[in-house]
Amino acid sequence: DGGITQSPKYLFRKEGQNVTLSCEQNLNHDAMYWYRQDPGQGLRLIYYSQIVNDFQKGDIAEGYSVSREKKESFPLTVTSAQKNPTAFYLCASTVQVDQPQHFGDGTRLSIL
Amino acid sequence: GIQVEQSPPDLILQEGANSTLRCNFSDSVNNLQWFHQNPWGQLINLFYIPSGTKQNGRLSATTVATERYSLLYISSSQTTDSGVYFCAVWRFQKLVFGTGTRLLVSP
Repeated sequence: DGGITQSPKYLFRKEGQNVTLSCEQNLNHDAMYWYRQDPGQGLRLIYYSQIVNDFQKGDIAEGYSVSREKKESFPLTVTSAQKNPTAFYLCASTVQVDQPQHFGDGTRLSIL
Repeated sequence: GIQVEQSPPDLILQEGANSTLRCNFSDSVNNLQWFHQNPWGQLINLFYIPSGTKQNGRLSATTVATERYSLLYISSSQTTDSGVYFCAVWRFQKLVFGTGTRLLVSP
């Protein structure tokens, strides 16, 4: 089935560690997005990529990094510079900008 | 930046009741989506509706872009409708999410 796969579903990080969240899609979509959701809140855009080897900062990019080496993959690294990383992270993709966005099932990141 | 506000923030319904959720946005937009986030966090596409009215089973949506609002109608609500409903608007190549409406449908 076509879709967006995020892994792992749950992730724990120690203070000072970098962690990488995986997002893979087999929908042949050009654009991919990373969002952060805090409890009881809406979604905020971290980074997005409209084409391979190109990406732009969203509204809350500090402490995060991404890469887009393949069309299917858009991994997100939460660095030690992110002071409050505990949140629910959602990845999305769309065939092109302004078209319907589809979401993965998310990764819950917690600090140990 | 654009403001996207949803009302009501919380809604409690008895199973079988109807409801209307509202999304207001402060500036012109290219497109609008409605999502349902279930209790497990999954975000499900409901409608992609830049203007006009669409229906899908018990749910329907209407967007009046010139007046900068959209409505989501839920008829004959079921307990599985519980969760958070978000509208989101496309603006400058990004999707901007509203504040959400939290719905609880009791049996």
